[in-house]
Amino acid sequence: QVQLVQSGPEVKRPGASVRVSCKASGYTFPDYCMHWVRQAPGQGLEWIGWVNPNRGVTSYAQRFQGRVTMTRVTSISTAYMDLSRLKSDDTAVYYCARSDTILSEIDSWGQGTLVTVSS
Amino acid sequence: QSALTQPPSASGSPGQSVTISCTGTSSDVGGYNYVSWYQQYPGKAPKVLIYEVSKRPSGVPDRFSGSKSGNTASLTVSGLQADDEADYYCSSYAGSNNLLFGGGTKLTVL
Repeated sequence: QVQLVQSGPEVKRPGASVRVSCKASGYTFPDYCMHWVRQAPGQGLEWIGWVNPNRGVTSYAQRFQGRVTMTRVTSISTAYMDLSRLKSDDTAVYYCARSDTILSEIDSWGQGTLVTVSS
Repeated sequence: QSALTQPPSASGSPGQSVTISCTGTSSDVGGYNYVSWYQQYPGKAPKVLIYEVSKRPSGVPDRFSGSKSGNTASLTVSGLQADDEADYYCSSYAGSNNLLFGGGTKLTVL
């Protein structure tokens, strides 16, 4: 079965960077897009961007451009999201999530990674 | 790009029907038939209920249905059950390889 297993919780200082990983199994990793979505405490879902694991093509939401980088290592079926210049309002649960194409629905989600930004 | 607009809350009694709206613009909801709906329980990851405006993945009960008119998409939950109490989110393709989510609607079963 499809599984997306994310790295563990992180606590960071304002201004620092964080990397969240997402290891995929149960399907052919390059054949699906990987999205990153976050959810601040008590808030809604916010799309951050996506990476096409096959070609490494990325697209980021405008508000994250310049601060986020999404990459993948296909040999180990793992996607990464790096977010820099962290602020307190970046505190959220970060999800990786799979879809067939950018147009398709998200059909599988990771368990989420809590990133806490606090001084 | 702003989030799609959903009512913060909705409610209904068991057995009733409830409709949740999701309003965007001609650049997202109105421009593409790629609207999805997700159900999320507290502390859990979302689960897809509807894709491409009105299609249901296998395993999703037909009590859940989707539609779209102009820039507004809708999710209808018929025959409300206690375990339908959850948060519901719409999403839409927004062009240029971008995706937008709605702000979410908390559904309460009275």
